[in-house]
Amino acid sequence: GENVEQHPSTLSVQEGDSAVIKCTYSDSASNYFPWYKQELGKGPQLIIDIRSNVGEKKDQRIAVTLNKTAKHFSLHITETQPEDSAVYFCAGGSQGNLIFGKGTKLSVKP
Amino acid sequence: DGGITQSPKYLFRKEGQNVTLSCEQNLNHDAMYWYRQDPGQGLRLIYYSQIVNDFQKGDIAEGYSVSREKKESFPLTVTSAQKNPTAFYLCASSIQGAISTNEQFFGPGTRLTVL
Repeated sequence: GENVEQHPSTLSVQEGDSAVIKCTYSDSASNYFPWYKQELGKGPQLIIDIRSNVGEKKDQRIAVTLNKTAKHFSLHITETQPEDSAVYFCAGGSQGNLIFGKGTKLSVKP
Repeated sequence: DGGITQSPKYLFRKEGQNVTLSCEQNLNHDAMYWYRQDPGQGLRLIYYSQIVNDFQKGDIAEGYSVSREKKESFPLTVTSAQKNPTAFYLCASSIQGAISTNEQFFGPGTRLTVL
């Protein structure tokens, strides 16, 4: 079955710097890769997603890149702000189900 | 407002008691999911349902049971057979379950503590 590895588990950056979180997946059949942001005590919320027919997608300060050959995808956050501090999860899936990475706790220091 | 709701937000139970967690959605989604979240473990799939009156075991189904009698509702029962039930439980739904993979919308979660 699918396995999704996420790195790093914790990431601390200064406000204004960029943050990058990386994930790898094992199942070549996976075709959908969402990224979720989870604030303390709340449910995860989708921030960006990408399908396997696209190599890159951008939404304001957030971008995701996908390398199907290497089976890895990354989340890029530019000009980080304190409100970006949260836990971020990547996921990969096909045929309806998603397998989640273990999460990255991002801290943005003012 | 359209969305997915879970109740209660906090739940306390004594060891050995069964407990049912509620999940309701008014998004007209076909698929619904239950995840368990433990610190440092990410989200692990307990059960999922791609259509009414049908559901499948996920990766950690032992000690749990579900039903899907209505499209809007997917309650999860944590039974006394679940050895370590204290966790944060998340319910999610998506438009289509089997045909393609789509965004899953999550509820606010229920934190279950077994004393």
